[in-house]
Amino acid sequence: SQKIEQNSEALNIQEGKTATLTCNYTNYSPAYLQWYRQDPGRGPVFLLLIRENEKEKRKERLKVTFDTTLKQSLFHITASQPADSATYLCAPETGANNLFFGTGTRLTVIP
Amino acid sequence: NAGVTQTPKFQVLKTGQSMTLQCAQDMNHNSMYWYRQDPGMGLRLIYYSASEGTTDKGEVPNGYNVSRLNKREFSLRLESAAPSQTSVYFCASSVKLAGSVGETQYFGPGTRLLVL
Repeated sequence: SQKIEQNSEALNIQEGKTATLTCNYTNYSPAYLQWYRQDPGRGPVFLLLIRENEKEKRKERLKVTFDTTLKQSLFHITASQPADSATYLCAPETGANNLFFGTGTRLTVIP
Repeated sequence: NAGVTQTPKFQVLKTGQSMTLQCAQDMNHNSMYWYRQDPGMGLRLIYYSASEGTTDKGEVPNGYNVSRLNKREFSLRLESAAPSQTSVYFCASSVKLAGSVGETQYFGPGTRLLVL
């Protein structure tokens, strides 16, 4: 069955540094993968979508890579700020135009 | 433009009681979804509706029913609540962004349900 793993439950990083979050998937090959941000007590918010034939996607300080050989996506936040503190969810598509959400990585940016 | 709205925000039920969670979107999206989110489990799809008049089971449909009342509204019903259904429930709707391959989901604020 499909399985999604996000590298760690929690990641602490100093303000100004680059945060790198990892998403690994097994047993299938998604056509695209999305990343969402979730703040405590709120619903997830879409950040970026990357297709299987795209190596990298950028949006302001965010960068996502997609390595279909390694079955892995990396999510980077450069020049991190305390306002970036949140849980980040990886969501590969399931093949039925739905998404399969990972459990998330809780990022804390320390001033 | 309110996006996706959910009611109620919080509910306490006794085992065996029934209730309906309401969801509405004003973005003219075709697809709508119900998820539950539990600690350490991530978001799990309960039911989805690809268009008005259609519904399909997701990963964890047992104990739930849904109704796609019209294009705007998608409700989730618990006929006989159980403590295992204590969770946070999120409704979402989706749209295909221009030039994109897949649909991006927009989530509501969630309903926190406690079943005693």
